[in-house]
Amino acid sequence: EAGVTQSPTHLIKTRGQQATLRCSPISGHTSVYWYQQALGLGLQFLLWYDEGEERNRGNFPPRFSGRQFPNYSSELNVNALELEDSALYLCASSLRPFEAFFGQGTRLTVV
Amino acid sequence: QQQVKQSPQSLIVQKGGISIINCAYENTAFDYFPWYQQFPGKGPALLIAIRPDVSEKKEGRFTISFNKSAKQFSLHIMDSQPGDSATYFCAASFPGSARQLTFGSGTQLTVLP
Repeated sequence: EAGVTQSPTHLIKTRGQQATLRCSPISGHTSVYWYQQALGLGLQFLLWYDEGEERNRGNFPPRFSGRQFPNYSSELNVNALELEDSALYLCASSLRPFEAFFGQGTRLTVV
Repeated sequence: QQQVKQSPQSLIVQKGGISIINCAYENTAFDYFPWYQQFPGKGPALLIAIRPDVSEKKEGRFTISFNKSAKQFSLHIMDSQPGDSATYFCAASFPGSARQLTFGSGTQLTVLP
């Protein structure tokens, strides 16, 4: 069974640009979670999508947004990039509420 | 109220020793407490988890001890091996449909050969 896949692996953007990160959940999983892992910090919850709808979001500005497609894959968009947005962005999927499986992440660097 | 505090930040243990990582939480509404293991360049992987109606859970060399009254839980790694060297995160989540995880800040474990 394929795990959670994220693309791209690395992404370098200039301050002020937009970044788009993609996530394919494990087959059959309907929930997708996005987390930000900044250097030296723990994982911070960003967004939760389930059945195509945004169900909850963490304490991040509106320039962090996303969507979930009918095939349950998801996209995270970060607009007006700032230097402090540089981080590892992790996607997790789950079917049962208690088990979240993470992808390898997208390393976003803003220069 | 939603924080999970994790200690120590880093831990060095000799091969065969016991690694102990501690976490504390404030919000008594948390009802699920997993531990994740993360190797460099990889996403976190679920290691073991516990619900607050159980005081201890053991899976192989990994044990979670849970103290509901003290609002603390800990991960014990018995017979630590160099392959256990990784970053460990404790986490907690609320009941209901919103199952996002609140993570601790992580512990970097190094097991010396």
